[in-house]
Amino acid sequence: GAVVSQHPSRVICKSGTSVKIECRSLDFQATTMFWYRQFPKQSLMLMATSNEGSKATYEQGVEKDKFLINHASLTLSTLTVTSAHPEDSSFYICSAVLTGGDGYTFGSGTRLTVV
Amino acid sequence: AQTVTQSQPEMSVQEAETVTLSCTYDTSENNYYLFWYKQPPSRQMILVIRQEAYKQQNATENRFSVNFQKAAKSFSLKISDSQLGDTAMYFCAFMKLPIIQGAQKLVFGQGTRLTINP
Repeated sequence: GAVVSQHPSRVICKSGTSVKIECRSLDFQATTMFWYRQFPKQSLMLMATSNEGSKATYEQGVEKDKFLINHASLTLSTLTVTSAHPEDSSFYICSAVLTGGDGYTFGSGTRLTVV
Repeated sequence: AQTVTQSQPEMSVQEAETVTLSCTYDTSENNYYLFWYKQPPSRQMILVIRQEAYKQQNATENRFSVNFQKAAKSFSLKISDSQLGDTAMYFCAFMKLPIIQGAQKLVFGQGTRLTINP
């Protein structure tokens, strides 16, 4: 089946530094990818929609300058958390839309801890 | 805007029992998909079952089945013969149609934490 590979699975960084999270679609082309954030014991919160070759669309309240999204190819989307702060610590998940109404396939997530 | 509500934050049953997770949604759309996703402790999101709104027949996948009541905007998940591996967070989700690039947002419910006890 369609797989989205997400890396890294865990990352610890210092406050003020930037962290890049990658999501790659394997064996299929993902024209649209979504980025979610999930706090412990809570639901997934959509942060932004990335479309290959164009600017990402951010949800209300999400700082586009802090969470930079790039979707330069049909198989790769990246989320960069810039000038990270402890409150950015969270679980980040990417997903790609599948054709035929099968919904989404999800990456395995990245646990970001900012110290 | 669409909303999805899961009114049961936590549920717990014994192994081999049947359990039903509830989900209601609100939409003015007529064409859409509904999904149940499972998120085990590994936190990998796994599709459990999906239902197309235009289909009257309830979807089934082995031990998993849904009760889709379109008029009532209800979409419950029944797990039969529950197993220890079913322990997970379960999310109900809505996706409207038609599929247009960039418009296929999944709207999630709050989730239900299901524990299967031995």
